[in-house]
Amino acid sequence: DIQMTQSPSSLSASVGDTVTIACRTSQAIFTYLHWYQLKRGTAPKLLIYTASTLQSGVPSRFSGSGSGTDFSLTISSLQPEDSASYYCQQTYATPFTFGQGTNLAI
Amino acid sequence: EVKVVESGGGLVQPGGSLRLSCAASGFNFSNYNMNWVRQAPGKGLEWVSYISASSRTISYIDSVKGRFTISRDNAKNSLFLQMNSLRDEDTAVYYCARAPLGFSDHWGQGTLVTVSS
Repeated sequence: DIQMTQSPSSLSASVGDTVTIACRTSQAIFTYLHWYQLKRGTAPKLLIYTASTLQSGVPSRFSGSGSGTDFSLTISSLQPEDSASYYCQQTYATPFTFGQGTNLAI
Repeated sequence: EVKVVESGGGLVQPGGSLRLSCAASGFNFSNYNMNWVRQAPGKGLEWVSYISASSRTISYIDSVKGRFTISRDNAKNSLFLQMNSLRDEDTAVYYCARAPLGFSDHWGQGTLVTVSS
């Protein structure tokens, strides 16, 4: 199985800040890496797919980068509604493993 | 509007069975792959199973192989997860998601499965 290492596990930031979440995979996965946002009581939301493609309807302050084994999600100009958990996932090979998650507090 | 709605969760004793359903609307269901993903209380997301549009390709996480069966009825725009021999560690919110290229682009609100005596 492909192991996912996501960091940090939690972080606190202020409105207007820029934060970066990292995701490292145990083997190269090209760009089969995706990012999701989870908020309590709502359906999970796809933010970024194939490492850097912004999902339709997602604000442009979200961006993704990386290939191979190292990836990152950057959120700029943080807004209060960005307070949530964020997960990376690889779909290069089954099982489609997720990172451990990052809890972002604004 | 793309919509997926899960149902069928509930309280079940260890060793018992449940069948989850997912009703899809707003897209051509028969053209899309689908995933089941779960989140145990206080834990992160865990991918459970995948089925291709034609049902030709099916995959499971090791911990549910031989106990869970994913299936779909394209004529009824429905996805299913038959869960047998349930264990305490299967307790989770189970999400159905559309999976155009493996990743999940539209998710339901989830259905809670509680395995407890």
